[in-house]
Parts: sequence; C-alpha cells; structure tokens
Amino acid sequence: EAGVTQFPSHSVIEKGQTVTLRCDPISGHDNLYWYRRVMGKEIKFLLHFVKESKQDESGMPNNRFLAERTGGTYSTLKVQPAELEDSGVYFCASSQDLGPLAYNEQFFGPGTRLTVL
Amino acid sequence: EDQVTQSPEALRLQEGESSSLNCSYTVSGLRGLFWYRQDPGKGPEFLFTLYSAGEEKEKERLKATLTKKESFLHITAPKPEDSATYLCAVGGYGGSQGNLIFGKGTKLSVKP
Repeated sequence: EAGVTQFPSHSVIEKGQTVTLRCDPISGHDNLYWYRRVMGKEIKFLLHFVKESKQDESGMPNNRFLAERTGGTYSTLKVQPAELEDSGVYFCASSQDLGPLAYNEQFFGPGTRLTVL
Repeated sequence: EDQVTQSPEALRLQEGESSSLNCSYTVSGLRGLFWYRQDPGKGPEFLFTLYSAGEEKEKERLKATLTKKESFLHITAPKPEDSATYLCAVGGYGGSQGNLIFGKGTKLSVKP
C-alpha cells in the first residue's frame, strides 16, 4: 500500500512569489492534515480536512495560506505571497475514520522543504 | 494551554546500552499519546498510540509506557539502526480530534 506522498520535495522561491504544495493521502483515508515545522521549533498543526470539508483550520497562520481538497482526494496548500518566515518543512498526514471513540492514528508524508529567500 | 516537553534533547548511547526517553505533557483531557520516529529528511513514522494511564506497548526493542503526566519510551539493547529523532505528540479533548501537539523530539545516536 502506498503511503502519503508530497510534491515537491523541495521548493526555493523568492519573497512575494506564490508556491503550491500538494499532498496525496493514503487511499481510503478521509482525514487529511497539514503540519509545519519551522527550524528549531516543534511540528505544529495547520489544518484538518474530513473528505473535502475543513474540520479545523485553527493553526493556519494568516490569510496568505489557502488549503483545498477538491473531491476529497488530494490536497493543495498555497502560500501567496510567500514571506521569509514561511520557510520550513510542510508535512501532510492522513488517517482513517475510526469513529468518535478512537483516536485516528496519523501517517505522515516525507514533507516539502520550503525555502523563501 | 496544551503542551508537550521531551527530554533529553539529545542522547548518545553505546550499542547495547539501554535507556529511556521522557515525554511530559499537559493537556485538557487526553485523547491519545503518540510516539513517532523520524529519520533525517523523512516524515515522522508512527510507532505507538497510548490511550490511558498504565497502558504499555512494545515493538522490537522499544517499549512505551504512560502515566497521567508523562510517557516513557524505553529502548532495550539499542542498535545503530535505532538512531533517529523520537517525537511525542498528544491529542486532547480541548482541541479537535485531528490537532496533534508535538514535542521538539529527542535525537538518539547509537554508536557501535
């Protein structure tokens, strides 16, 4: 079974440019999550999709970040315009829906390393 | 505020030298505590989920335990291939079901 995949693996852009990151979850996983790790800090939650709906976007830093999941399959995270502080590693994770009594174990992709110059 | 603190930040062991990693947490109602392993340039790899105090889980040389305030990841007779960063994360009832709070991790190096 294929794991979570992310594209690109690395992206280097200049301040003010736009970048779009893509995540393909494990097949059949309705839950999709975006996280970010800024250098020297812990991994932090950005948002959570259940199918195509945003369940929780409390971690999105500001309105320069836009996440979509059309059709409930893959997801994109767009940063427009990018700022220097957006540099970091962006992880995507997915999980099955185990119901309200269980906690969904999240499986992570390899991440996209974003560098904003 | 939900928080996870891992110690030590880094740990160097000789092959075969057993030790433990600590994860202290504060959370408004624990849904679950998770241990992940992360190798350089890769995403976190799921290891264990613990749901309630007193629970223990094992996998090869790793054993995770949970109390009401902390979790330990015990490594028995480690091998060089166990070298990685070990991450602890919690999910609490105060946040959404998908919002994991991570610690900064413990970087483990095992020398032959």
